[in-house]
Amino acid sequence: AQKVTQAQTEISVVEKEDVTLDCVYETRDTTYYLFWYKQPPSGELVFLIRRNSFDEQNEISGRYSWNFQKSTSSFNFTITASQVVDSAVYFCALSERNSGGSNYKLTFGKGTLLTVNP
Amino acid sequence: DTGVSQNPRHKITKRGQNVTFRCDPISEHNRLYWYRQTLGQGPEFLTYFQNEAQLEKSRLLSDRFSAERPKGSFSTLEIQRTEQGDSAMYLCASSLSPQTSGRARPYEQYFGPGTRLTVT
Repeated sequence: AQKVTQAQTEISVVEKEDVTLDCVYETRDTTYYLFWYKQPPSGELVFLIRRNSFDEQNEISGRYSWNFQKSTSSFNFTITASQVVDSAVYFCALSERNSGGSNYKLTFGKGTLLTVNP
Repeated sequence: DTGVSQNPRHKITKRGQNVTFRCDPISEHNRLYWYRQTLGQGPEFLTYFQNEAQLEKSRLLSDRFSAERPKGSFSTLEIQRTEQGDSAMYLCASSLSPQTSGRARPYEQYFGPGTRLTVT
């Protein structure tokens, strides 16, 4: 069975601090996709990034960066110079393959509530 | 480009009543998913469609739940004889399938704003 663990339930930082959100996953699939989503107080899940299991290159997008390490089954997310607008719940998710070999449904972690204080 | 839309955004109903939610996916997306999210938890998969075919249903989806996507465009999720335990946010998402010719970025699911159901 697929499993995603976000051990940090809540994190509170002061604006401009860097913060890393941890994600550890379990899967027996050799081909899988990992995702991060942001859920602000308004409630809508916002897609941030997709990573496939064959690509371990780290990715940077503005103040966001992602560190994917298959050896430790981790896909961590770092926000550099955090801002108040980054306050939200962040979810890590893993896609599962169906019997036909196509990735489809997402298994989500429980999320990390990030609060950035001014 | 419009995103995924869901209606209604909020629904309050009495136990035992039936409710129906609607989801309109991103127009070129052929896959549509329903998830349920309870307080303090991540979304949990309920069911998904590829075009009009419902390809999988979670064990979370009891006999009181039914979903349709009659023309492969919008979808409805109906809950019959609602119970207090059905209170949750119901999220719809859409994506492209990998077989969609010439398209990049399959599997990325884009979510709607959700329908918050409260059963009293």
